[in-house]
Amino acid sequence: DQQVKQNSPSLSVQEGRISILNCDYTNSMFDYFLWYKKYPAEGPTFLISISSIKDKNEDGRFTVFLNKSAKHLSLHIVPSQPGDSAVYFCAASATGGTSYGKLTFGQGTILTVHP
Amino acid sequence: GAGVSQTPSNKVTEKGKYVELRCDPISGHTALYWYRQSLGQGPEFLIYFQGTGAADDSGLPNDRFFAVRPEGSVSTLKIQRTERGDSAVYLCASSSSGGADGTQYFGPGTRLLVL
Repeated sequence: DQQVKQNSPSLSVQEGRISILNCDYTNSMFDYFLWYKKYPAEGPTFLISISSIKDKNEDGRFTVFLNKSAKHLSLHIVPSQPGDSAVYFCAASATGGTSYGKLTFGQGTILTVHP
Repeated sequence: GAGVSQTPSNKVTEKGKYVELRCDPISGHTALYWYRQSLGQGPEFLIYFQGTGAADDSGLPNDRFFAVRPEGSVSTLKIQRTERGDSAVYLCASSSSGGADGTQYFGPGTRLLVL
């Protein structure tokens, strides 16, 4: 079963506008969430993370929002730039037990930012 | 400093053959993870090392897959009797700690194609 889901395979946005990427999870043990960006032929690059004790974390143009009751998080990119065009992965981990920080990823969303 | 490196970048082999994939983590990182990414999917966890020992190998699909990290730095993922279904991108990541809030830094991956 898919414990982390990104239901939008792709998103197209105009340069300068806001990009909103969504992610849902089912495992209530997850308490740390990350977003990675991936360009073709490269490994995923860490963007931003959030702990479950927060509901918002901001880093420059990137903001992640967490709604624990809905088991939903989103990544906002403002303003979007053509260089942001990539595949974005949502990932989750559990701090308890023996998870050792292993990440569970969503399927990814392809973001295209048009000039 | 240097990031995570993986060799080879591409590997083509025939069904039934043995392959080895190598990962050089970021210097000083004690935690090392292997993931596998199939086309159109997010990375899936395979195995986690803390130092020289495999702390969690629950993601290895079967006993044809094995990984080692004898000196606590470089790791090798070994696949015996390869099958066409093993074709994927194999990603390695390292982290300065093995905790859930330790950011994982990924290498570019090895693209394995089994004919």
